[in-house]
Amino acid sequence: VQLVESGGGLVEPGRSLRLSCTTSGFTFGDYALTWFRQAPGKGPEWLGFIRGAAYYGTTEYAASVKGRFTISRDDSKGIGYLQMNSLRTEDTAVYYCARCVDVYRVWAPVDHWGQGTLVTVSS
Amino acid sequence: QSALTQPASVSGSPGQSITISCTGTSSDIGEFTYVSWYQQHPGKAPKVMIYEVLRRPSGVPDRFSGSKSGNTASLTISGLQAEDEADYYCSSYSSTSTPWVFGGGTKLTVL
Repeated sequence: VQLVESGGGLVEPGRSLRLSCTTSGFTFGDYALTWFRQAPGKGPEWLGFIRGAAYYGTTEYAASVKGRFTISRDDSKGIGYLQMNSLRTEDTAVYYCARCVDVYRVWAPVDHWGQGTLVTVSS
Repeated sequence: QSALTQPASVSGSPGQSITISCTGTSSDIGEFTYVSWYQQHPGKAPKVMIYEVLRRPSGVPDRFSGSKSGNTASLTISGLQAEDEADYYCSSYSSTSTPWVFGGGTKLTVL
């Protein structure tokens, strides 16, 4: 099982960025995918969750990013996405995707994480 | 300000046992049995050590154990080893506007 995030980098406040989570070693459509972030020196923060294909890829979001961030997935490619709009300096963090052990239950734990990708929001 | 409260640091000598507490509310730890503990070494991704309060993923040593009482969850590491030195984070499912909340982390030092 592998998850690899990509797409991070330096972006100006107010701009957008899309992160990718490329998976391998398992049937992507059979699992939900969760996105987290971790600001420098802070604990992780849960951002959102997308269910598997059988549940039409429905999503849940943290209150802090709802309306700005959008999670999607392409089961044919085994890739999950995190679209981030109207970025703020406080969005600076390492962003992780993780596989949820269940395809539907947002309360299910995650088991495998990617290595993370750094997003820096600065002018 | 993290939703769950953990001590900033704990320490112990090799072979000893330590316990890290994680205090939440009746909307998270007190209401659900969905508590996870993560170990994170510097520059690495978090690794789940305990899920659903007391379950260990395959490959995690049985030196790691979890429990819960009321609004407080605990992680106990027995027979401390040098490689256990890391940051530990608790997380709980929550009935508030954000489904999963985290603690601020505890730095474990193995003396």
